[in-house]
Amino acid sequence: QKEVEQDPGPLSVPEGAIVSLNCTYSNSAFQYFMWYRQYSRKGPELLMYTYSSGNKEDGRFTAQVDKSSKYISLFIRDSQPSDSATYLCAMSLYNQGGKLIFGQGTELSVKP
Amino acid sequence: DVKVTQSSRYLVKRTGEKVFLECVQDMDHENMFWYRQDPGLGLRLIYFSYDVKMKEKGDIPEGYSVSREKKERFSLILESASTNQTSMYLCASTVGPSMETQYFGPGTRLLVL
Repeated sequence: QKEVEQDPGPLSVPEGAIVSLNCTYSNSAFQYFMWYRQYSRKGPELLMYTYSSGNKEDGRFTAQVDKSSKYISLFIRDSQPSDSATYLCAMSLYNQGGKLIFGQGTELSVKP
Repeated sequence: DVKVTQSSRYLVKRTGEKVFLECVQDMDHENMFWYRQDPGLGLRLIYFSYDVKMKEKGDIPEGYSVSREKKERFSLILESASTNQTSMYLCASTVGPSMETQYFGPGTRLLVL
């Protein structure tokens, strides 16, 4: 079993839809949770970062962490064609100096 | 604006060749990382470095080595390239022990024939 599981998709939605992307993990010691966005032929860029459990909102994006269920989510409201990309969840143990464990990535396509 | 650059965007090499992938960051970051990205497997850590001349093995170091002679430059070396090393290689850097942000380079797509 992989340490971090993410549905690879692809996921196709119409413009304006609410998108839900999810990851599950097995290591309860993970403390830091991140979502990266990767456009085609580009490197990943950090989208959202949360520490421990809870919600974090940034514009149309909301990240949720449920440590009791070992489950994290990224919600995209009013999705746009420019949101079409691969979304990668990543997580880290406390005091691991930046070493991240990534999910497989979910490919999202938002159709106009 | 932060910047991580990689020496090549696309590279084609033959089996058995020695391959050098270069990564340079201009942010004075202590930590640098090399990942490979394959469909269905996500990003997997090959090697990382916390400081000049220091290196640590990641999850899949076999067949690779690294060099960090200067703070801004982290090189990945494939001693004898094999076809199963065909992949996208991504370099990243971050400041100090904080894992809040890893800045990634654009990637090098390597094809080994």
